[in-house]
Amino acid sequence: SYELAQPPSVSVSLGQRATITCSGEALPKKFAYWYQQRPGQAPLLMIYKDKQRPSGIPERFSGSTSGTVVTLTINGVQAEDEGDYYCLSADSSGSWVFGGGTKLTVV
Amino acid sequence: QMQLVQSGPEVKKPGTSLRLSCKASGINLNNFALQWVRQARGQRLEWVGWIVFASGKASYAEAFKERVTITRDTSANGASMDLNNLTLEDSATYYCVALLIELGGGGVSGYSMDLWDKGTTVTVSS
Repeated sequence: SYELAQPPSVSVSLGQRATITCSGEALPKKFAYWYQQRPGQAPLLMIYKDKQRPSGIPERFSGSTSGTVVTLTINGVQAEDEGDYYCLSADSSGSWVFGGGTKLTVV
Repeated sequence: QMQLVQSGPEVKKPGTSLRLSCKASGINLNNFALQWVRQARGQRLEWVGWIVFASGKASYAEAFKERVTITRDTSANGASMDLNNLTLEDSATYYCVALLIELGGGGVSGYSMDLWDKGTTVTVSS
């Protein structure tokens, strides 16, 4: 079955840049989406269609893609950016898959 | 006000079936897909399946396709998910999510907006 691979954890200093990657064979052909989830809350869409940012999402969040890897970048990480981040994309059959999630820690 | 309201918490026995319903207000679901995503305590998000409301076509994750059915209810502006043969591993918070979809290439090419409900807890216990 199709899988999206993410690093389990990323640690970044306050104010620095964080990058979270997501790799999958179908990503060159399928859009990727990024979600932030804080404890006890529903996920929040941070990036859609690889690099589009929904209204209300801070400009420090950006998405990019290169081949089979998509990347979520957070420039100038803030303490409130801590949480779990998930990528989401579709496979060739039209089903969707979440990545395993990345826990972002701000130190 | 755009809102999704899902049916309430459930406690089920192993081997039984579950039905969750989700109703939308403030949005016309004809431009949306409705999907279910679940999350066991402390675990990752898991995509269960979705239905494209306008066409009524549903797709399911491989892990669930033998025991899940998602149907739309056009009169109620919502959808339901049936999950059969429950096991302890089906205990989770289930989210109903509306996606503002874009069509292309003969199917859904992506989405540009989503709306989540608050999630409902399903407990499977003997």
